[in-house]
Amino acid sequence: NAGVTQTPKFQVLKTGQSMTLQCAQDMNHEYMSWYRQDPGMGLRLIHYSVGAGITDQGEVPNGYNVSRSTTEDFPLRLLSAAPSQTSVYFCASSYYPIGGYEQYFGPGTRLTVT
Amino acid sequence: AQSVTQLDSQVPVFEEAPVELRCNYSSSVSVYLFWYVQYPNQGLQLLLKYLSGSTLVKGINGFEAEFNKSQTSFHLRKPSVHISDTAEYFCAVSEAQGAQKLVFGQGTRLTINP
Repeated sequence: NAGVTQTPKFQVLKTGQSMTLQCAQDMNHEYMSWYRQDPGMGLRLIHYSVGAGITDQGEVPNGYNVSRSTTEDFPLRLLSAAPSQTSVYFCASSYYPIGGYEQYFGPGTRLTVT
Repeated sequence: AQSVTQLDSQVPVFEEAPVELRCNYSSSVSVYLFWYVQYPNQGLQLLLKYLSGSTLVKGINGFEAEFNKSQTSFHLRKPSVHISDTAEYFCAVSEAQGAQKLVFGQGTRLTINP
């Protein structure tokens, strides 16, 4: 049982490049989400999904796209990277729809945009 | 909408001393409350949570937290800290009804000095 896995661990992009951050979970969780972590700001929700084919925006969605074609995978796409997207990105998953369950976090992807 | 304020960005304490990390929240609806811990270069893991019932909740590694509805607080405490407790601690809130979206505080960095 690997839990939540994220690839890559580190990435450096130039402004304007695009890339996809991968996230997968093997716990059959319906709820998956992406957060970004910036110093002094905690974690902020980018996008989330409550099941395959269903996604919605979080607090800071601009510049990011998501899709959910399977229960296991929830990739995050940066369309045209900007220096403001330099951050640590975390994927998380949880049971749904009953609230209050623990969210399981991946190890994170550290992204630098130059 | 919910918001979370962690009142201290950094807390230095000596080993074996008690510690309290403060968290206040704001919400117009019923909420669930969580404390997560992030060890250096790792993802987040759940310390404890309050859903309902007893206002004093116990978590892993000897931590406990008390929910105070009148003061809208959920402070985290440990009677005697260890060097291994050095980490960043995040308070988070989610609506009791609906999706699992978490709103995080800014984080408190706990540093244990020998």
